[in-house]
Amino acid sequence: DQQVKQNSPSLSVQEGRISILNCDYTNSMFDYFLWYKKYPAEGPTFLISISSIKDKNEDGRFTVFLNKSAKHLSLHIVPSQPGDSAVYFCAANNFNKFYFGSGTKLNVKP
Amino acid sequence: NAGVTQTPKFQVLKTGQSMTLQCAQDMNHNSMYWYRQDPGMGLRLIYYSASEGTTDKGEVPNGYNVSRLNKREFSLRLESAAPSQTSVYFCASSEGQGGWDEKLFFGSGTQLSVL
Repeated sequence: DQQVKQNSPSLSVQEGRISILNCDYTNSMFDYFLWYKKYPAEGPTFLISISSIKDKNEDGRFTVFLNKSAKHLSLHIVPSQPGDSAVYFCAANNFNKFYFGSGTKLNVKP
Repeated sequence: NAGVTQTPKFQVLKTGQSMTLQCAQDMNHNSMYWYRQDPGMGLRLIYYSASEGTTDKGEVPNGYNVSRLNKREFSLRLESAAPSQTSVYFCASSEGQGGWDEKLFFGSGTQLSVL
């Protein structure tokens, strides 16, 4: 059973608007979460992370929010750009074992 | 500035054939990993090596073996390939210092088809 879940396989947004990607996890022992971005025919690349001691982390247009009580995190991209079109994976690190969600394919329309 | 290098990029096998996927990293990382990516399943951990000389099973180890040849290299072997092993395989590494902010660095992947 997957410990990290991304229930939306795809998301389509207009350029300039906000993209919100969601992720849920089941293991309350997870204490560090990451988002990865993947373009076709390339390996995933690190985007942003958050520790369980925080509830928000920002890096430019990207913000990750963590709600520990709900075991839920989300990635906000504002404003969205066509170059953001990719598959986004949520991941959790537990003692150097990384568990990934199934990914959300984001399409940003010009 | 190579990072994590995987070979080959593409491979087609017949059922029952064997092959080894090679991975090397030049970041002096302690930990290395093999993942497979399947549609709708995300990235699933096959095996990992926390440090040179150690290997451990991940979520989906059946049908695979690994060798941590040295600190730089971590290979994945399919002894008798099956169609269910058709997938994209990614090697990754991390510093492995036990810090809370560990990150994975990925190679570009190997597209494997088993007929």
